[in-house]
Amino acid sequence: GDSVTQMEGPVTLSEEAFLTINCTYTATGYPSLFWYVQYPGEGLQLLLKATKADDKGSNKGFEATYRKETTSFHLEKGSVQVSDSAVYFCALRSSRNSGNTPLVFGKGTRLSVIA
Amino acid sequence: EAQVTQNPRYLITVTGKKLTVTCSQNMNHEYMSWYRQDPGLGLRQIYYSMNVEVTDKGDVPEGYKVSRKEKRNFPLILESPSPNQTSLYFCASSPVGAYEQYFGPGTRLTVT
Repeated sequence: GDSVTQMEGPVTLSEEAFLTINCTYTATGYPSLFWYVQYPGEGLQLLLKATKADDKGSNKGFEATYRKETTSFHLEKGSVQVSDSAVYFCALRSSRNSGNTPLVFGKGTRLSVIA
Repeated sequence: EAQVTQNPRYLITVTGKKLTVTCSQNMNHEYMSWYRQDPGLGLRQIYYSMNVEVTDKGDVPEGYKVSRKEKRNFPLILESPSPNQTSLYFCASSPVGAYEQYFGPGTRLTVT
C-alpha cells in the first residue's frame, strides 16, 4: 500500500539556520503530496502542497518540490525562526480514486528552533 | 469563523465506560474523517465519511464506531474503551475533491 517515510526527529536548530526535512513516498500512479504543520496544542494545518511532478509548493518561506524520479518531497526553509518550532508531517493522497481518498501521513518530525 | 470543533478537548475515563467524542464543522463539507495520533506512529485514519449516511473504515477501525446523520456532525463512539485507545484524536473535514483537509483542535483521551 501507499506509505510515507520522513526523517526521524527531533531536529534542533539555531535561529536563521537552514532546514531540510526529508520525505520519501511509495505510491502507485501520481499521488498529491502535502506538508502539514502542527503547532503545540493545535490541530494540523496545511503548509504546502504539490499535485504533479516537478511542482514546487511554497508557503511562509517553506518550499518542497515534487520529485517523481526520486519519489521525494523534501521540506526546506532557508532561515528558520523560533516560531517555526512545531511538528511537521509529510502526507500523500493517492490518485487512484476520485473524490476524497484518505491522506497517508508520515510519522512526523519535531522541529525545535532555539534563539 | 470557519472551523472544525471537537468536544471534549480532554477526557479521562475508565475501561469499558462508553463515550462519544463529538465533531462538528460549519463549512458544509461533505467529507469528514477521524484520525488518532500516537507517538512514533503519526496519524492513522480510523473512519471516514463521504457524505450523510455514507461511512467507511480507515486503517484502524477496531473498537470504534461512527455515524453521519447530519452533514455537519461526525461523532466518534467508543462502546467499550480500552487502555490501548489512549491517544490524541483529530477530526477533519473537506469538500469532496479538495486537496486540503481542515483539522479540529484534537481530543486527548486517557483510558485507565
